[in-house]
Amino acid sequence: TQLLEQSPQFLSIQEGENLTVYCNSSSVFSSLQWYRQEPGEGPVLLVTVVTGGEVKKLKRLTFQFGDARKDSSLHITAAQPGDTGLYLCAGATSNTGKLIFGQGTTLQVKP
Amino acid sequence: NAGVMQNPRHLVRRRGQEARLRCSPMKGHSHVYWYRQLPEEGLKFMVYLQKENIIDESGMPKERFSAEFPKEGPSILRIQQVVRGDSAAYFCASSPTMGQVKNIQYFGAGTRLSVL
Repeated sequence: TQLLEQSPQFLSIQEGENLTVYCNSSSVFSSLQWYRQEPGEGPVLLVTVVTGGEVKKLKRLTFQFGDARKDSSLHITAAQPGDTGLYLCAGATSNTGKLIFGQGTTLQVKP
Repeated sequence: NAGVMQNPRHLVRRRGQEARLRCSPMKGHSHVYWYRQLPEEGLKFMVYLQKENIIDESGMPKERFSAEFPKEGPSILRIQQVVRGDSAAYFCASSPTMGQVKNIQYFGAGTRLSVL
């Protein structure tokens, strides 16, 4: 059974602080996607990483895929209250369409 | 360009009734996935369908749950004789491609099922 361990589960920080969310597995994924989900809504795709060691930046968000394609991280610089939400990582395998989701990280950024 | 459309957004059923959840994929997408999100838990894969075919139903409960994606019309997730434990948010996602490394799925807003 493929599992994705996401940490931390909850994070409450002050505006302007930096943070990192981790996603780890013993399995290799062909790609890994990060989503953000607001209460009452569906997950919204932030980024997809495909190549081992790949780094992608989206404004203040930096995503990294591990060299072995088993882990990923999301780093937010100078967090803002608008970053508050649930962040989900999801791994895809090449032989099936299904995504394996992590448990999610609930981020609260206080003004 | 309309996104993935799910309806209804909220559905209330009494124990023993049937629930039907609908999903229209994004235009040009022929692959549909259903996921379930229980309170305080992550999303769990249920089933993957292409037009008129079930490709992977490894996450579907063996009884009471079924899914279809007909040639015409939306994909339907059907839950018969609902029980309180079926209360959850059900999400549909669609993608344009399969069999490639980059499998990007776009999600609908979900249907929140409450069983009384």
